[in-house]
This record gives sequence, C-alpha cells and structure tokens, in this order.
Amino acid sequence: ETGVTQTPRHLVMGMTNKKSLKCEQHLGHNAMYWYKQSAKKPLELMFVYNFKEQTENNSVPSRFSPECPNSSHLFLHLHTLQPEDSALYLCASSQLSYNEQFFGPGTRLTVL
Amino acid sequence: SQQGEEDPQALSIQEGENATMNCSYKTSINNLQWYRQNSGRGLVHLILIRSNEREKHSGRLRVTLDTSKKSSSLLITASRAADTASYFCATDYNNFNKFYFGSGTKLNVKP
Repeated sequence: ETGVTQTPRHLVMGMTNKKSLKCEQHLGHNAMYWYKQSAKKPLELMFVYNFKEQTENNSVPSRFSPECPNSSHLFLHLHTLQPEDSALYLCASSQLSYNEQFFGPGTRLTVL
Repeated sequence: SQQGEEDPQALSIQEGENATMNCSYKTSINNLQWYRQNSGRGLVHLILIRSNEREKHSGRLRVTLDTSKKSSSLLITASRAADTASYFCATDYNNFNKFYFGSGTKLNVKP
C-alpha cells in the first residue's frame, strides 16, 4: 500500500442515503484527486484539488460533492445516488510539478 | 479526448515469456506514464517517460515512446505470475496535474 488511505473500503447504500468517502495522504503532497472506475470503462477523473483549491470538476453530477479541508484530507460527499454510480472510487495525490500519482486502495461503492 | 488506448485488451502468457502492451494517444503530450492495478485495488505507478525521451528502463520493464506515431509500448521481460494485473497508460494535459487513462490491458501470467 502507498501513503494514501481511503475509508471505508466497502460501502453499500440506498438511493436516499447520505454518506461520505474519506481520503488521507501522508506524503506531504499538495494535489489530490478523485477518480471513478467502472467496469470496462477508462478511469474517469472527477475532481482535482491543488493547494486545497478545486481546479477541476469534470462535469460531475451535483450528487457528488467534494471537500478538501486541508492538503492532507479529501472527502467525497454522496447523496441521492443512482445505481449506475456503483463503482470503485479512487483517491490519489501528487506533488505539483511532479507527475507521478499515488493512489489509495479505493472504496468499492454499491448503490441499491 | 486525449485518453490513451491500450492494446490488446487482454493478454495471456506463460511465466518466463515477455509481455508487450501498447498505448496510443491522440494529441501532444508532455509525458506518458504506465500504471499497474491488481484486481480491485489502487493503481501503482511504474514508470514515466517524457516527450523528449525515446526509451526508458526500470528493472524488467522497458518503455518506448514514439511521438511521431503517438504511441508507447510497455515490455515486461521474463514475466512472473505476480505480474498478473491490469496495466494502464496515462497521458497528461497542458502540463497541469490532470491525466487521462485508457481502459487498460489485462495481463494474465500463467505459472
């Protein structure tokens, strides 16, 4: 495992639930990312934060709401999700001006 | 879209053989990276090659980049069962920390 942790590792929720995914990086990086990985699809970049500021929102539906309180923590707040939102959600971090990304193990989300 | 596309989608070989995976992309890049993902886990960075480089080595990995053809290849020599994983290429965009990943090549190395 890398220095990026994600909790929970598995999450099952109904369409009316509200839940949050948490990501923490212990690498001193200043950029953090959320990705969505669905079966047989390319990894989709959802959000990018540089120095706690959101710099990218890849046309993600508003039922996904990111939060970056500091450069070490990243959250993804979920509400009124759809079954097609079931996927592996991956968090990553990197040091700006270096391109290598370090990924967490992911949260396997199932929406019933 | 600048997404890289890996080829083949799946590859099955015997332990000890070499495995070659290819990646094609559509627009100019600053660098290209290869990542590995074991089933249902996070991605692990393998190697980065810059647009002004043609070949790079790391252990049993060899990566080539042909910017004129907009393609890259990843060669794993003397493969092992532990190399069984999905392999992804990622291309950057305008030098920001924004990357496009392909759908990956699923490699199965049979013992």
